[in-house]
Amino acid sequence: GDSVTQMEGPVTLSEEAFLTINCTYTATGYPSLFWYVQYPGEGLQLLLKATKADDKGSNKGFEATYRKETTSFHLEKGSVQVSDSAVYFCALSVTSGGYNKLIFGAGTRLAVHP
Amino acid sequence: ETGVTQTPRHLVMGMTNKKSLKCEQHLGHNAMYWYKQSAKKPLELMFVYNFKEQTENNSVPSRFSPECPNSSHLFLHLHTLQPEDSALYLCASSQVSSGRAGELFFGEGSRLTVL
Repeated sequence: GDSVTQMEGPVTLSEEAFLTINCTYTATGYPSLFWYVQYPGEGLQLLLKATKADDKGSNKGFEATYRKETTSFHLEKGSVQVSDSAVYFCALSVTSGGYNKLIFGAGTRLAVHP
Repeated sequence: ETGVTQTPRHLVMGMTNKKSLKCEQHLGHNAMYWYKQSAKKPLELMFVYNFKEQTENNSVPSRFSPECPNSSHLFLHLHTLQPEDSALYLCASSQVSSGRAGELFFGEGSRLTVL
């Protein structure tokens, strides 16, 4: 079945360090791929998305490229800030029964220190 | 503010209690979802309502009972829960068939503790 695997955390970085959070997926067909972020005490928010192979999603300095050949959608940021500390979820979307079903990875907690 | 409001934010209940979680979306969306978020486990999709009709029940125990009276409101009725049901329950909404597949808008969640 469809699934998402992302690297276990926590990931601990110093401010201005480079960030990579790995995500790979298994899916039939051609899903859309997403990164969601959950800040402490809040629900999930969409961070970025890509809907087809080789698309690059970007937002707030974060980027991820839809790699069909490696079934990956790794999240990157060139210089993290303390305010980026959160849990990051990779997800894929499949359409089933007329609605959009999101399948999430387990989440990766990021802690950025000054 | 995501346009999805959940109440209460925190709930403590005994195993014999009956309570309800409420979700309201102000986005004009036509699909609503309940997810369960437990520590160290992936988000679990529980229920989906599409145009007020339940289209998914992801093998959820009958002690959880959803209700969707209209496209803006979603409830999760709880009765005779178990301590392992303690979790963060997240409501979300989306606009199906809008070309924005997978873009869910989440509420802040209801933190449930079952004693």
